[in-house]
Amino acid sequence: NAGVTQTPKFQVLKTGQSMTLQCAQDMNHEYMSWYRQDPGMGLRLIHYSVGAGITDQGEVPNGYNVSRSTTEDFPLRLLSAAPSQTSVYFCASSYGGNSNQPQHFGDGTRLSIL
Amino acid sequence: LAKTTQPISMDSYEGQEVNITCSHNNIATNDYITWYQQFPSQGPRFIIQGYKTKVTNEVASLFIPADRKSSTLSLPRVSLSDTAVYYCLVSGGGADGLTFGKGTHLIIQP
Repeated sequence: NAGVTQTPKFQVLKTGQSMTLQCAQDMNHEYMSWYRQDPGMGLRLIHYSVGAGITDQGEVPNGYNVSRSTTEDFPLRLLSAAPSQTSVYFCASSYGGNSNQPQHFGDGTRLSIL
Repeated sequence: LAKTTQPISMDSYEGQEVNITCSHNNIATNDYITWYQQFPSQGPRFIIQGYKTKVTNEVASLFIPADRKSSTLSLPRVSLSDTAVYYCLVSGGGADGLTFGKGTHLIIQP
């Protein structure tokens, strides 16, 4: 049972490039979400999904897109990378359609934008 | 979402009991209190959740007074491996995610 798997673990991009951060879970969880964590800060919600075909914006959605075509996968797309998007990105999943259920987090993707 | 306040950092020693208190003065009736633990280079990990009184699991205990305006995470007999950041969250179970503050950086010394 792999839990929540994020790929890649590390990535360096140039300003203006685009890329997709992958997130997959094998627990049949309905709820999935993306957070970013900056040095010395807590996690901030980017986007979330309560089920396949349904996505919504979180606290800091600008510059990011998501889609949820399957229950298992929830990719995060950076449309045109900016230095301000340098951060550690975490994907999480849980049972049900709300955030009160225990969230299962991946180990993160460390992204640097030059 | 109710805002939480917790100490930025705490120190303790191996074998001691550690109590981390979190204030949430404007907690709502349907809010639950949840604690997560985060090690360096890892995602947060769920520790414990409660609504009122006391909850205990194999890892920790959570004490919530009757007014629910604060809560205390209790870690019994800590070890070096308990050094981590601990987050207190208050959530009504809506779909709009969790609000993480800066957490409490707990450092356990030999």
